[in-house]
Amino acid sequence: QMQLQESGPGLVEPSQTLSLTCTVSGGSVNSGGFYWNWIRQSPGKGLEWMGYISNDGNTYYNPSLKTRVTMSLDTSRNQVSLNLTSLTPADTAVYYCARDTTFATDFWSGHRSSYIDVWGKGTTVSVSS
Amino acid sequence: DIVMTQSPLSLPVTPGEPASLSCTSSQSLLHRDGYNHLDWYLQKPGQSPQLLIYLSSNRASGVPDRFSGSGSGTHFTLEISRVEAEDVGVYYCMQALETPLTFGQGTRVEIK
Repeated sequence: QMQLQESGPGLVEPSQTLSLTCTVSGGSVNSGGFYWNWIRQSPGKGLEWMGYISNDGNTYYNPSLKTRVTMSLDTSRNQVSLNLTSLTPADTAVYYCARDTTFATDFWSGHRSSYIDVWGKGTTVSVSS
Repeated sequence: DIVMTQSPLSLPVTPGEPASLSCTSSQSLLHRDGYNHLDWYLQKPGQSPQLLIYLSSNRASGVPDRFSGSGSGTHFTLEISRVEAEDVGVYYCMQALETPLTFGQGTRVEIK
């Protein structure tokens, strides 16, 4: 059974860049049909979807974060990475890595049906000087 | 972005009694593929969210049949036929129709 484990610094200073890693076990990050999401949870904003990267490296970012966020795959280490620049205290949150599985694709529109079925335990990040 | 609104925000329940949670979207989640792209998640205390229901009414693997989802368009409901103590936590609806994916603010279910 696939498991995800987030890791990274617990404390980052304002204006700095956050780098998080999600290590995948029990499966491969480049397996077909999987997309790798980053979702964060803060008391003030609830659950916020940050974006995803597909198994072949295509990305889509939440427009609210688009200029600050980058996601990548490291297939040799079986990891998914998140970089978030220009941090402010508002970025303080628990950051989750989560897999979504494609179970259908609409022939006519290409719309992908999927669900987020595996979550990591999350890593807490505080932005403070 | 599609705005998801849940009600109530807090729901005290008695074990063995039913519970009903509501979720409303700012636009229809019915895709021309015929499916409503609405998922339900439960976040138990101290845990990550876990998938309960996908496409409005399909139980995820391993989810007890006391959980059921219904609804179409912009109004959706999660029902628990007989609440058990292990069902406490925060329930979130999430629209999966389009990016950015968006979540409701959650309904906290607690035992009376």
